[in-house]
Amino acid sequence: GENVEQHPSTLSVQEGDSAVIKCTYSDSASNYFPWYKQELGKGPQLIIDIRSNVGEKKDQRIAVTLNKTAKHFSLHITETQPEDSAVYFCAASKGYSTLTFGKGTMLLVSP
Amino acid sequence: NAGVTQTPKFQVLKTGQSMTLQCAQDMNHEYMSWYRQDPGMGLRLIHYSVGAGITDQGEVPNGYNVSRSTTEDFPLRLLSAAPSQTSVYFCASIPQGKVEAFFGQGTRLTVV
Repeated sequence: GENVEQHPSTLSVQEGDSAVIKCTYSDSASNYFPWYKQELGKGPQLIIDIRSNVGEKKDQRIAVTLNKTAKHFSLHITETQPEDSAVYFCAASKGYSTLTFGKGTMLLVSP
Repeated sequence: NAGVTQTPKFQVLKTGQSMTLQCAQDMNHEYMSWYRQDPGMGLRLIHYSVGAGITDQGEVPNGYNVSRSTTEDFPLRLLSAAPSQTSVYFCASIPQGKVEAFFGQGTRLTVV
């Protein structure tokens, strides 16, 4: 089955800095790669996703890149703000099927 | 729309007790699933359903049962709770033909 590795497990940055979280996947048939943000005491919420026919996608301060050949994808957050502090999960799936999640990255943004 | 609703939010069980975690969605989503979240382990799939009357096992199904008699509801049953089942449980649903998963707020279960 699919295996998703996520790094780092914790990331501390100063407000205004950029943050990068990286994931690798094992199943070359996976074609959908979402990123979820989980705030304390809440369920994960989708923040951005990318499909295998696209190399990069941006939405304001967040962007995701995908390298199908190397089987890795990354989340980039620019101009970080304290409200970006949360746990971020990457995931992979073959489209309309089960999601396999990474183990999560706790992002701490200090004012 | 209320989205995905999980009840209860918190529960303490004694070892050997049984209980059902409830999950309901009002978005007419075909696909529903249960995950457990443990520190340092991410979200692991327990069971999932692609429609009413159809269920299948995920990565960590042992000790859990599910059924899907309606599109709206997908309860998770613990027949004989064990301390290893102490976790936060999340239910999620996906609309037919789509890929975005919508999560509930979670149920924090402690088994003593």
